[in-house]
This record gives sequence, C-alpha cells and structure tokens, in this order.
Amino acid sequence: GAGVSQSPSNKVTEKGKDVELRCDPISGHTALYWYRQSLGQGLEFLIYFQGNSAPDKSGLPSDRFSAERTGGSVSTLTIQRTQQEDSAVYLCASSRGTGTAGELFFGEGSRLTVL
Amino acid sequence: AQSVSQHNHHVILSEAASLELGCNYSYGGTVNLFWYVQYPGQHLQLLLKYFSGDPLVKGIKGFEAEFIKSKFSFNLRKPSVQWSDTAEYFCAVNERTGGFKTIFGAGTRLFVKA
Repeated sequence: GAGVSQSPSNKVTEKGKDVELRCDPISGHTALYWYRQSLGQGLEFLIYFQGNSAPDKSGLPSDRFSAERTGGSVSTLTIQRTQQEDSAVYLCASSRGTGTAGELFFGEGSRLTVL
Repeated sequence: AQSVSQHNHHVILSEAASLELGCNYSYGGTVNLFWYVQYPGQHLQLLLKYFSGDPLVKGIKGFEAEFIKSKFSFNLRKPSVQWSDTAEYFCAVNERTGGFKTIFGAGTRLFVKA
C-alpha cells in the first residue's frame, strides 16, 4: 500500500482481556518497529523486526506483550491480560532498513483504552 | 544503555521568535540522527536527517539541525517560528552497526502563540 496501515484505529477493552493490534508495513520495507506513545512519555521502543533476523524484543515491558511478523510483512502485537497502564497509542513504523539508514514511516496508530 | 535526551518537554514561543530544541544521545558507535514532528491530529513524519557529511542539515519548513559529534548533540533550530509550527518534536537516533534499531527521545511540545 501507499503507507503503513494499522488496525484497529481505536480499541476499548476491559481489564484482563487480550487484544491484538495489526500493522501492514509499506511494501518492500524490511524493517518493522512497534512503539508505544503515552501522554508525557514520548515514544517507547517495544520491538524491532529486521528481515529474517531474530527480533529485538528488548523494549517489551512484560511477558504479557508479544509480537510476530509473518512472511516478513504483516505484524501483530498481542497484549494478554490487559491492564489499565497498557492504555496508550501503539505506533507501527517501517523502513527500508538499508540505504536510507532507517528513516521510519509511521502509521496512524492504534489507540488502546483499558477500562 | 542507549538513550536519547531532549532537554525541554514544553516550549512556548511567540511567532517570529527563534527556536532551538536540544537533543543529546548516548551511543558508542557511528550514528544516524533524525528529527520527527507530529502535528496535532497527524501521524509522525520526518523533519530532517543526518547520515554523514556536512553536520549542518536542512529540513522542511525552514528547520535545520547541527550534529556536534564531540558533544553527542543534534539540536534543532529555526530562526523564526510560525503558529503552524505548533507540534511535538522528537529526536531519534540509530546506530549503523546495530541494525538500525531506532530510539526516540521523550519529545518536546512546542506551542507558538499567534
């Protein structure tokens, strides 16, 4: 597609439920990132996929968070047993990974509200 | 640990005032540096970037940034701000030998009074 696509754009869930957030990167981009944006917290790195390499999961805040990227394209971020502190905007970005040295293209984000 | 620090969380300026937003990073290797901007209600977009060469880089809308390697800094400047520059600005860094994992600063919210 023309840009990075994320779904859903808004998600309201109850505490304790699982949620899945989806990201479709720009076609041909080998690198894919997930960030979390909370009020006053800036962009918190969560996880990074680059080609077929093992993902860098160093930013995942707990084992309730996981992500996968199928076929080197679409990625799903899963949050299990959601907590109120998980409420945030979850941003996905992709990049070519080389050449432009990681210039990121962002999606519109998925706003998660945990009640 | 790798980190990016932005000195100001909130900045309020009047139109035509000059702007300088500070950014410092802690990385051991060769880095690529970026400033991204998020206008109200819009997604993040690239403002400017430094990979190599002239340490003074020009971006869109009259913004520029200077890479000072000895100070591990990449400050953003604009000589005369406009009301339309009201936005949140993020400094970001990735390390070329680190697979381009990109870390962002906490952001600076700029409000320009008309």
